[in-house]
Amino acid sequence: EAGVAQSPRYKIIEKRQSVAFWCNPISGHATLYWYQQILGQGPKLLIQFQNNGVVDDSQLPKDRFSAERLKGVDSTLKIQPAKLEDSAVYLCASSLDRGGEKLFFGSGTQLSVL
Amino acid sequence: AQSVTQLGSHVSVSEGALVLLRCNYSSSVPPYLFWYVQYPNQGLQLLLKYTTGATLVKGINGFEAEFKKSETSFHLTKPSAHMSDAAEYFCAVSRTGRRALTFGSGTRLQVQP
Repeated sequence: EAGVAQSPRYKIIEKRQSVAFWCNPISGHATLYWYQQILGQGPKLLIQFQNNGVVDDSQLPKDRFSAERLKGVDSTLKIQPAKLEDSAVYLCASSLDRGGEKLFFGSGTQLSVL
Repeated sequence: AQSVTQLGSHVSVSEGALVLLRCNYSSSVPPYLFWYVQYPNQGLQLLLKYTTGATLVKGINGFEAEFKKSETSFHLTKPSAHMSDAAEYFCAVSRTGRRALTFGSGTRLQVQP
């Protein structure tokens, strides 16, 4: 069974530039999550989708972050413009159910903002 | 709101020794509780979870955790550490399974030969 796919694996940009991350969840998983993991901290939820609708984006910095999940399958997370404090690993996860009892995580995209 | 506190950002044990990673939670409603493990350069993997029922939960790789409501704890244990257990461990909570997980800050487990 294929896992959660994320790309790119690494990204280095300068502050004020824009960047986009892509995620393809496990086939059939209706719920998709984007988490931000800053070094030394646990993952923090940015946004949760159920199919192509947003369930929770309360912690998404909407002035610079945006995410979409067109057609309820793969998803893109964008940052524009990036700040130094956005340096982190961005994790995508998916689950069969909305409750998220078992999340399957991708390997993440490591972003460095210089 | 829910939260979890993991006591000890780093734990070091000898191979064959008991592993104990501590997690305390805060939740206004009955929680769902989880332990995830993250190996270097890999995604997080579910070790075990508590939803309802038996309070002693067994997971993969010989790990287990006990839900203690009176202590608001969900500590992770393993009787005998292996070198392959070296990783970062995250405790997480969700509210009755309807919301996304809230993670603790993690505990890095080091296993000494």
